[in-house]
Amino acid sequence: KQEVTQIPAALSVPEGENLVLNCSFTDSAIYNLQWFRQDPGKGLTSLLLIQSSQREQTSGRLNASLDKSSGRSTLYIAASQPGDSATYLCAADTGGFKTIFGAGTRLFVKA
Amino acid sequence: GAGVSQSPRYKVAKRGQDVALRCDPISGHVSLFWYQQALGQGPEFLTYFQNEAQLDKSGLPSDRFFAERPEGSVSTLKIQRTQQEDSAVYLCASRRSSAYEQYFGPGTRLTVT
Repeated sequence: KQEVTQIPAALSVPEGENLVLNCSFTDSAIYNLQWFRQDPGKGLTSLLLIQSSQREQTSGRLNASLDKSSGRSTLYIAASQPGDSATYLCAADTGGFKTIFGAGTRLFVKA
Repeated sequence: GAGVSQSPRYKVAKRGQDVALRCDPISGHVSLFWYQQALGQGPEFLTYFQNEAQLDKSGLPSDRFFAERPEGSVSTLKIQRTQQEDSAVYLCASRRSSAYEQYFGPGTRLTVT
């Protein structure tokens, strides 16, 4: 059974800092891994999708990596801004049907 | 084009009532997912449709939960005889196919009193 864990559960950093959010999964046979952002009371916004054959994806200040062999993915945020404050969720697609989410990392970027 | 929409955005139901939650996916998206999200947790998978076929319903918590997508576009999640533990945000997502991202709607917040 696939399980997804995110560490840390919460993180507070000063504006401008570079930071790394971690996601681990127990079954390496994933189809893809997706990172999302969720603002309070809102739905999820897709940030990056990494296919199982890829090692990383980049979008602006965001870079996500995937290491299937170790069951890990990281989301790197460069030069953090107060507007980056949100909950970040990773989700492992187990083969096209079921998607398993982590509990998220709540990020607060202080101005 | 328009994103995924869900209605109603908020629903208050008395325990024992039946509710129906609607999801309008992005036009042309083959795949549709329903999730349940409790406060402070990540979304929990409920069910998956590919066009009108329900290919996975292993996450539905009980036989009081039923989902359909009869024409392969709009989907409805129905909860019969609601219980307090059904209170949660219900999220719908769609994607073009399995190689693409999932796009989420804003969710329906269900409160059972």
